[in-house]
Amino acid sequence: GAVVSQHPSWVICKSGTSVKIECRSLDFQATTMFWYRQFPKQSLMLMATSNEGSKATYEQGVEKDKFLINHASLTLSTLTVTSAHPEDSSFYICSARVRATGSYNSPLHFGNGTRLTVT
Amino acid sequence: AQSVTQLDSHVSVSEGTPVLLRCNYSSSYSPSLFWYVQHPNKGLQLLLKYTSAATLVKGINGFEAEFKKSETSFHLTKPSAHMSDAAEYFCVVSDGAAGNKLTFGGGTRVLVKP
Repeated sequence: GAVVSQHPSWVICKSGTSVKIECRSLDFQATTMFWYRQFPKQSLMLMATSNEGSKATYEQGVEKDKFLINHASLTLSTLTVTSAHPEDSSFYICSARVRATGSYNSPLHFGNGTRLTVT
Repeated sequence: AQSVTQLDSHVSVSEGTPVLLRCNYSSSYSPSLFWYVQHPNKGLQLLLKYTSAATLVKGINGFEAEFKKSETSFHLTKPSAHMSDAAEYFCVVSDGAAGNKLTFGGGTRVLVKP
């Protein structure tokens, strides 16, 4: 149980275009989802917290107009990288907590990530 | 504030020998601690978690970790490494003061030699 599906697993786009990444909780409801970015051989960096039905909370230094997050339902959050540039190339990973728990001591369930390459 | 330090960026072991991945944490409150494993180009899989119950926690794939409050440590061990254990491992801390956010350690890359 507690499967998080992330799509696409990889995408290549041209500079200046936008890319949408989907994160779905397949067998549970997630009030909150988290988006992370991971550079090669580095740890995960939290970008934003996605809250169902409300605005996302962005971490310091993350451009909210560039990384648009929408959490329209309890099972789907999307991250759109707008006007992508080569420096946006990275591995993006989403995660979610089971809604019924939601507390700090319950683990996150992660998607398999999306590798974005901007040419 | 909470923080996590993984003391080794790389660990190399021979197949069949023990594995030790070291993790120290800092937290203002009673923390919850997790170990995750990440294989190349994949998401993270939960190995085990500590949430103020038994201090010795057993996880999947033969891994276990011991919470030592006096040493602020949560080291991960496995008695006998397998080739499939080659991956990146992350120690993660979470406490209520951080608004349910997780803080990740820098990761330890494990290489298993045949």
